[in-house]
Amino acid sequence: DGGITQSPKYLFRKEGQNVTLSCEQNLNHDAMYWYRQDPGQGLRLIYYSQIVNDFQKGDIAEGYSVSREKKESFPLTVTSAQKNPTAFYLCASIDSGGSHTGTDTQYFGPGTRLTVL
Amino acid sequence: SQQGEEDPQALSIQEGENATMNCSYKTSINNLQWYRQNSGRGLVHLILIRSNEREKHSGRLRVTLDTSKKSSSLLITASRAADTASYFCATDEIGSNYKLTFGKGTLLTVNP
Repeated sequence: DGGITQSPKYLFRKEGQNVTLSCEQNLNHDAMYWYRQDPGQGLRLIYYSQIVNDFQKGDIAEGYSVSREKKESFPLTVTSAQKNPTAFYLCASIDSGGSHTGTDTQYFGPGTRLTVL
Repeated sequence: SQQGEEDPQALSIQEGENATMNCSYKTSINNLQWYRQNSGRGLVHLILIRSNEREKHSGRLRVTLDTSKKSSSLLITASRAADTASYFCATDEIGSNYKLTFGKGTLLTVNP
């Protein structure tokens, strides 16, 4: 059963704590992405990685960190420096092995809802 | 930054009616994609239209793209209650290297 999994589905964090959100894919996709979604809003890009051991900041990277040690895994850490972390976090991946072929769609995981207590 | 801007923000229709959502963007693109999101879930890809295409169909979906006006529309024909969801457009900007920019979405409610 191929796809993207995110865990946990719900996560509660106390102020000042770091938490790590998991994202795993078995689609053999090269690129992976983390988005944040606030209520009634679109998706904002936090970080993305196009290849193992490499990643770039998105539009709202402050207070977040990532790693890409394996092709199938792209965990996101929400640090205590993120002042307003309560949001819905979505991970996605894409097979970017070739040029733009018209099949450049992103596959999304089910999301993790993070709440700061 | 949010490039795609959907219009309207919310749309409520009766089952069987058609639903039209619009998306405007600002820069040159490789392609434009539409995604659907049910409440509290991940996004599901619906349809992709490339910059050299003007219209595309997939089942009850029809997408148009006008690159001169930097706009796209998504038409859902013969809507069903199960179509109730948020719909997002996403642009793949030239030079972005597979980084999509999403709009804020249109919340579609189809009443039975």
